[in-house]
Amino acid sequence: TQLLEQSPQFLSIQEGENLTVYCNSSSVFSSLQWYRQEPGEGPVLLVTVVTGGEVKKLKRLTFQFGDARKDSSLHITAAQPGDTGLYLCAGEDYGQNFVFGPGTRLSVLP
Amino acid sequence: ETGVTQTPRHLVMGMTNKKSLKCEQHLGHNAMYWYKQSAKKPLELMFVYSLEERVENNSVPSRFSPECPNSSHLFLHLHTLQPEDSALYLCASSQVWAGGVYNEQFFGPGTRLTVL
Repeated sequence: TQLLEQSPQFLSIQEGENLTVYCNSSSVFSSLQWYRQEPGEGPVLLVTVVTGGEVKKLKRLTFQFGDARKDSSLHITAAQPGDTGLYLCAGEDYGQNFVFGPGTRLSVLP
Repeated sequence: ETGVTQTPRHLVMGMTNKKSLKCEQHLGHNAMYWYKQSAKKPLELMFVYSLEERVENNSVPSRFSPECPNSSHLFLHLHTLQPEDSALYLCASSQVWAGGVYNEQFFGPGTRLTVL
C-alpha cells in the first residue's frame, strides 16, 4: 500500500514569514500534485510536478519534486493570511493508483 | 469555480432515509471520482468511473451505491447510513489519457453529510 506522509501536520506563523512543508513517501510516483483546501470547500489544484528534480513557481509558492520522485516540498515566501488552508499532496502511480497525504494545516496570522 | 458542481451542499438524514448526491462536471473530462473526507483522516477514494465504467471500488459498504449515466454526471445513492458515515463527500473529475494515466483531478465543493 502506497502512503504519503506530510509534515508538519499543523503550522501557525505570522504574516511575512517564510515556510516549507513536506510530502514524503517510500514509493515512486509518476506525478505529484499539490492542492489547497479551504474550510467547507473542495481541494483546488495548485500544481503538478512530473520530472525528478523539477521546480515550479507560482507567485510566492515554490514547488520541488525530489530527484527520485518519492518526495516533494512546498515553500511559501512572505506568507499572507490568504495562504491559510489545508495543503494536500497527492501522488499518481502510472495510472494504477492515486493517493492523498493527510495534509498540512497552515494558519497565517495578520 | 473549478467546473465541477455538487448538490446539495449540505444534507442531514436519518439512518433509515434514502438520498442521493449529485455531481456534474463541465470540463469535458472522461473520468469521475467519489471521495470521502472525514475529520483527521486523509481523503479516501470510494469509486472511480472511467469512460462511464466503474474501474475501482475500494471496498465501500453496499449502503453507498454509485451511478454514472454519462461522462458528465455522477451520483452517489445513500441508503441506511450510519452516524460514522457523516463526512464531506467530494466529487472530482479528470482526463484519462491513453494508457490509463490519471492526472490532475478537479474537485467540486463537496456535500457535507450528517447522519443522525
